[in-house]
Amino acid sequence: GAGVSQSPSNKVTEKGKDVELRCDPISGHTALYWYRQRLGQGLEFLIYFQGNSAPDKSGLPSDRFSAERTGESVSTLTIQRTQQEDSAVYLCASSAIQRAHYYEQYFGPGTRLTVT
Amino acid sequence: DAKTTQPPSMDCAEGRAANLPCNHSTISGNEYVYWYRQIHSQGPQYIIHGLKNNETNEMASLIITEDRKSSTLILPHATLRDTAVYYCIVRANTNAGKSTFGDGTTLTVKP
Repeated sequence: GAGVSQSPSNKVTEKGKDVELRCDPISGHTALYWYRQRLGQGLEFLIYFQGNSAPDKSGLPSDRFSAERTGESVSTLTIQRTQQEDSAVYLCASSAIQRAHYYEQYFGPGTRLTVT
Repeated sequence: DAKTTQPPSMDCAEGRAANLPCNHSTISGNEYVYWYRQIHSQGPQYIIHGLKNNETNEMASLIITEDRKSSTLILPHATLRDTAVYYCIVRANTNAGKSTFGDGTTLTVKP
């Protein structure tokens, strides 16, 4: 079946502009995660959604970052007033949950954001 | 989630077994060991996970020490396509989202 998809695959933007990154999780996966990966580094947790529960935003680096999710489907990560340090690959993942047991995460290909 | 320690890089000859170690000395009783890998320019891919027993699937084997303070991922017959960054993560399966992916081990499989 279809995996996690993300769009756009690449985004170049000027410093100070806002950007929106989209994630389509695997159908039926109720958990959705966003991570940031700077060049040559590991993944940095940003935010997590689970069903209708309040999202865990503890990883968002500043108030310029926000994310929304419509039900158990598409999610959008928005970065306002982009800065050069926001340049990174933004990865989305989803996972299934059954009886409070969280299964492995399936990752999308990522969106490479470059702020000039 | 417990912190893990992995060597930054390893080499392996094609066709030989690749053994990737991970230390997780502060692991809690309800935390699982997960392994993912990330091939260049792709998102991470799940490989295997376990709690305390050794596990095997079509991709790899996972050996967890009896005290659960360390584990080894084994790729039995490494191929050039196994060149990737391998991440070892420990987390409770009731705690979603905050998986901490460190810098991982860069495995280079050489012909």
